[in-house]
Amino acid sequence: QQQVKQSPQSLIVQKGGISIINCAYENTAFDYFPWYQQFPGKGPALLIAIRPDVSEKKEGRFTISFNKSAKQFSLHIMDSQPGDSATYFCAAAGGFKTIFGAGTRLFVKA
Amino acid sequence: DAGVIQSPRHEVTEMGQEVTLRCKPISGHNSLFWYRQTMMRGLELLIYFNNNVPIDDSGMPEDRFSAKMPNASFSTLKIQPSEPRDSAVYFCASSLVGRRSSYEQYFGPGTRLTVT
Repeated sequence: QQQVKQSPQSLIVQKGGISIINCAYENTAFDYFPWYQQFPGKGPALLIAIRPDVSEKKEGRFTISFNKSAKQFSLHIMDSQPGDSATYFCAAAGGFKTIFGAGTRLFVKA
Repeated sequence: DAGVIQSPRHEVTEMGQEVTLRCKPISGHNSLFWYRQTMMRGLELLIYFNNNVPIDDSGMPEDRFSAKMPNASFSTLKIQPSEPRDSAVYFCASSLVGRRSSYEQYFGPGTRLTVT
């Protein structure tokens, strides 16, 4: 069974702090690792993604760190803002399939 | 582009009734996915199509669920008969999957199904 394990389930961070969400995968055939952001009442939307040939990708306040040998990757949100409060899903993709993690509910306190 | 369109946005039905959810993917996308989201089970892939052909339906919970994609611009997910445990938000997503694609999936707004 292909799985993507995500932690923590929920996270509370003070405004301006760093939010860190971790994921681990099993199948080495995956070649694309996206993070999706979902606000209440909306569908998930792509936030940032990385391929396994790089160890880090940064877009604004969002950074993915990727450790291919450990089969782990993480999302760092710098200077977290109340508007970042949402559910975040990591995922691993290959071929036609994308496997999603269970999600992390992030709440940023003002 | 209007994005992925789903209808209805909300559906309330009684146990035993047939429910049909509809999806219009983004024009030009060749893959379509149906997901179910609940608090308990998270985001579950039910079925996905590539070029209108079902590729993997292993996530379909049971025979009460069926999905079709008669053409590139339309798909349905049908539940017959519906049960209270089917209550969830159902998402449709589309993607352009190919040799150099990014696998990015574009999700619709979802259909919130309540079966009483």
